[in-house]
Amino acid sequence: GQQVMQIPQYQHVQEGEDFTTYCNSSTTLSNIQWYKQRPGGHPVFLIQLVKSGEVKKQKRLTFQFGEAKKNSSLHITATQTTDVGTYFCAGITGTASKLTFGTGTRLQVTL
Amino acid sequence: GAVVSQHPSWVICKSGTSVKIECRSLDFQATTMFWYRQFPKQSLMLMATSNEGSKATYEQGVEKDKFLINHASLTLSTLTVTSAHPEDSSFYICSAKVQGWSPLHFGNGTRLTVT
Repeated sequence: GQQVMQIPQYQHVQEGEDFTTYCNSSTTLSNIQWYKQRPGGHPVFLIQLVKSGEVKKQKRLTFQFGEAKKNSSLHITATQTTDVGTYFCAGITGTASKLTFGTGTRLQVTL
Repeated sequence: GAVVSQHPSWVICKSGTSVKIECRSLDFQATTMFWYRQFPKQSLMLMATSNEGSKATYEQGVEKDKFLINHASLTLSTLTVTSAHPEDSSFYICSAKVQGWSPLHFGNGTRLTVT
C-alpha cells in the first residue's frame, strides 16, 4: 500500500533558527496537504499543493511540491515558540478520496 | 466555517462495555466523513470512511464488527467501539470535507481509556 514517510521524526531548535521537514511518498500523488497538530489538539489544515514543482508561502512557512509529485517539504524561517507541534503531510493518490498521512515531524522550539 | 464537533472529548469505560462517539458537521453537509485513530506520538491511521446512507468502508485490519460506524444523516456520523478492551484505548478523531480534494476539517478528538 501507499506509504508516506517524513524526516526527521523529531527536531529541537532554538527560537530564531530555521526548520525543514521532508515528506516522501512511495507513489505519485495527485495532491499533497499539510497539517499542524499542537500537543493535545487535533490536526489543522495549513495548505494544499496540486501542481508539480509548486511553491507556496504563508508568512514564515514555505511549502514545496516536488517535480515528480512524490515528495514535498515544509520550511519554517526563524521559528517561534508558537510553531511547536507536529507537522503532517498527507497525500492523495489518483482519484481516491482518502488521505494517507505521513509519519509526522515533531518540532520543539525553545527560547 | 467548516466546523466539526466531536463528542465526548474524553471517556473512561470498563472493559467489555461499548462506547459511542459522535461527529457532527455544524455548518456544512458532509456526504463523507473519516474516522482516524492515533496512538501517542504517532501518525493518524485511517480506520474507515463513512458514507451517508450506505455502509462504511473499512481499512484493512480494522474489525467492522468491533468498530461500528453509522452515517445516518449528512451532518452526523457515529463510531461505536463495542466490547472495549484496554488495547482499544486511543485517541479517535473524526474528520469531514466539503467535497472532492478539499481539506479535511477535524473534530477535537475523543480520548478513550478502557480500564
